[in-house]
Amino acid sequence: AQKVTQAQTEISVVEKEDVTLDCVYETRDTTYYLFWYKQPPSGELVFLIRRNSFDEQNEISGRYSWNFQKSTSSFNFTITASQVVDSAVYFCVSGGYNKLIFGAGTRLAVHP
Amino acid sequence: DTEVTQTPKHLVMGMTNKKSLKCEQHMGHRAMYWYKQKAKKPPELMFVYSYEKLSINESVPSRFSPECPNSSLLNLHLHALQPEDSALYLCASSQAAGTSTDTQYFGPGTRLTVL
Repeated sequence: AQKVTQAQTEISVVEKEDVTLDCVYETRDTTYYLFWYKQPPSGELVFLIRRNSFDEQNEISGRYSWNFQKSTSSFNFTITASQVVDSAVYFCVSGGYNKLIFGAGTRLAVHP
Repeated sequence: DTEVTQTPKHLVMGMTNKKSLKCEQHMGHRAMYWYKQKAKKPPELMFVYSYEKLSINESVPSRFSPECPNSSLLNLHLHALQPEDSALYLCASSQAAGTSTDTQYFGPGTRLTVL
């Protein structure tokens, strides 16, 4: 069975701090995909990144970076120099055969 | 353009009303999805349409009735809902059908309140 664990329920930081959101996944599949989505207060789920199990290269996109480690079954997300606009709920998601498996989400509050 | 639109943004309905939620995408995606999201919870899958055919129904009560009139449109017909059905309803689409390894793009959602 697939499972995604986001142990951090809520994180509060001050603007310009770096913050890392943890994600641990469980799967028996040899080929799988992992995603991160952002959900701001408006409600829309915004796609951030998709990685497949064959590509363990870290990814950087502006202030966002992702660390994928199969050895620890983790796919962590770091925001560098956080901004108030980063305040949202972030979901780590695993792509299975016919449905997405969502983590519980981490609520990030960035204060001025 | 990765845009999925949903109407209405907000909906308030009584338990005896009949209403519909609408979702539209013009990305040529072959799969469309309905999710239900309660406050402080992740989205829960309700239905999946692949090539305009219903492929997954996650044991959703019959008071929710999905419809896919064409490859760009997805409706969710609501009838005799209960107050516990109040939630954010999200529509999504993806290029590939029959798999959840493809990226799903979500709409802004409809916030439904059942009185």
